Amino acid sequence: AQKVTQAQTEISVVEKEDVTLDCVYETRDTTYYLFWYKQPPSGELVFLIRRNSFDEQNEISGRYSWNFQKSTSSFNFTITASQVVDSAVYFCALSHNNAGNMLTFGGGTRLMVKP
Amino acid sequence: DAGVIQSPRHEVTEMGQEVTLRCKPISGHDYLFWYRQTMMRGLELLIYFNNNVPIDDSGMPEDRFSAKMPNASFSTLKIQPSEPRDSAVYFCASSLGQGMGSYEQYFGPGTRLTVT
Repeated sequence: AQKVTQAQTEISVVEKEDVTLDCVYETRDTTYYLFWYKQPPSGELVFLIRRNSFDEQNEISGRYSWNFQKSTSSFNFTITASQVVDSAVYFCALSHNNAGNMLTFGGGTRLMVKP
Repeated sequence: DAGVIQSPRHEVTEMGQEVTLRCKPISGHDYLFWYRQTMMRGLELLIYFNNNVPIDDSGMPEDRFSAKMPNASFSTLKIQPSEPRDSAVYFCASSLGQGMGSYEQYFGPGTRLTVT
């Protein structure tokens, strides 16, 4: 069975602090994709990144970085120098490649960045 | 592109009434997904279509829910009769997908449904 666990339900930081959101997944697939989505207070879900199971290189995009470690089944997301606009709920998700493009979402982590 | 379009954005209805939610996917996307988001259950996949054909509806909660995709640019999710526990935000998403590839899903703004 596919499962995504985001153990941190809520994190509060002060602006300019670095923060890491954890994501642990379970799958029996050998080929799979991992995703992060952002849901700001306005409610829409915004795609941030996709990673495939064959590419364990870390990725950096501006203040965002992602650490994929297959050995620990983790795909963690770090925001450097957090800003108030980063306040949102962040979802990690896992695709079922053998079942089309179905996504299993984690429960989400609510990040609050205080000025 | 305008992105995934959903209507209405908000719907308030009384228990027992029929509710129809609408979705227009991104042009060229061949997968369409319906999700429901609640505080208790998080984001749940209800059903998804590939090339207008329903592929997996195992997430549809019960027979009161039905979904159709008559063409590549339109899908509906219908609840009949509606119940208060159906109150949630319903998202539609679309994606490209072919062969072994698995592509990111792009979400619409959601429909907030309140059943009183």
